[in-house]
Amino acid sequence: DAGVTQSPTHLIKTRGQQVTLRCSPISGHKSVSWYQQVLGQGPQFIFQYYEKEERGRGNFPDRFSARQFPNYSSELNVNALLLGDSALYLCASSPLTGITEAFFGQGTRLTVV
Amino acid sequence: AQRVTQPEKLLSVFKGAPVELKCNYSYSGSPELFWYVQYSRQRLQLLLRHISRESIKGFTADLNKGETSFHLKKPFAQEEDSAMYYCALSTSGTYKYIFGTGTRLKVLA
Repeated sequence: DAGVTQSPTHLIKTRGQQVTLRCSPISGHKSVSWYQQVLGQGPQFIFQYYEKEERGRGNFPDRFSARQFPNYSSELNVNALLLGDSALYLCASSPLTGITEAFFGQGTRLTVV
Repeated sequence: AQRVTQPEKLLSVFKGAPVELKCNYSYSGSPELFWYVQYSRQRLQLLLRHISRESIKGFTADLNKGETSFHLKKPFAQEEDSAMYYCALSTSGTYKYIFGTGTRLKVLA
């Protein structure tokens, strides 16, 4: 099993553009969460999806949205990019919802210029 | 507000010395506490959780509700313990982790 896979690994975008990040969970895992990690900080929770429904949302503006597909993969979309959106975006999958171990991907490094 | 504090950004110890990585949290209910570790060029992974009361790679952590702490300890550090360590809190009824800012542990030969 390759674990949680994220694509792309690196991305450079211009202010005002839109970006879509992708995540494939571990086979059998139905829960996917997204985190933003700014340099020097711990990961910050953005969204959690379970069985294709949003189960939790962090303190992020409406420019951030996500969805989960029938195969449990997920996309994170960010519109109207700001310089401050530059960060490592982490995806984590879990077999169940609730408090349980999360398996993290390697992340997507987004740079906004 | 829920918060996790890791006061040390960097902790350097010599091989064989004891290690204690500090973690304090603020939450009025019953928390679930975790330690995650990130080795160089690897992904973030679970080290241990308080509910399991287990020892992983020689590390232990005890939840002290009176002091709202969940410090990570190891009696004898090894060079392969060098990594970034994150303390994380999850609150009942939510589906998210609240992470601290992390402590980089360097074990010197």
